[in-house]
Amino acid sequence: GAVVSQHPSWVICKSGTSVKIECRSLDFQATTMFWYRQFPKKSLMLMATSNEGSKATYEQGVEKDKFLINHASLTLSTLTVTSAHPEDSSFYICSARDWGSLRPGELFFGEGSRLTVL
Amino acid sequence: EDKVVQSPLSLVVHEGDTVTLNCSYEVTNFRSLLWYKQEKKAPTFLFMLTSSGIEKKSGRLSSILDKKELSSILNITATQTGDSAIYLCAVLINTNAGKSTFGDGTTLTVKP
Repeated sequence: GAVVSQHPSWVICKSGTSVKIECRSLDFQATTMFWYRQFPKKSLMLMATSNEGSKATYEQGVEKDKFLINHASLTLSTLTVTSAHPEDSSFYICSARDWGSLRPGELFFGEGSRLTVL
Repeated sequence: EDKVVQSPLSLVVHEGDTVTLNCSYEVTNFRSLLWYKQEKKAPTFLFMLTSSGIEKKSGRLSSILDKKELSSILNITATQTGDSAIYLCAVLINTNAGKSTFGDGTTLTVKP
């Protein structure tokens, strides 16, 4: 099946710094990627839809200036957590669809990035 | 607003038991319903259901969609400790972006 790679898998940073997380589709092109946040033992909360070559679509309640999303190519989307604070500590996970796959609706997920802000 | 509700939220069983997980949805422009299993990191795909009444099976797992009742069930028979995970239900909306709405998940714990 399609592969989505996410990097880094974990990061620890100081409060006030910015952290960038990358999401790559390795063997397919993704015009759209999705970014989620997941709290312990909870489900995936969609933060935004990343659109190649245009602005991301953010879900209600998600701060655009806080969580910057860039989708500069058909295989790469990045999420930058700006001026991180301890409450931003979470598991961030990206996903994409390979519309050319045998199951066009299936979401392929990255491995996730665990962010800890000290 | 699109909504996906899973029940129960958590479940503890013993090895060998059979479990049924539920997912109900209220969405506009339904396309498909998907089940995922999440252990430590990325969710892994289990089933995609588009048509009502057709059971999908994979080993001890099976799932079926009821579009009249706007719901789906995931059955796991003869559970094993390796089945312990969060089971996520997601509904794919029929839009260009292919946005999915996820339920809150069911945390299954299988004790030896």
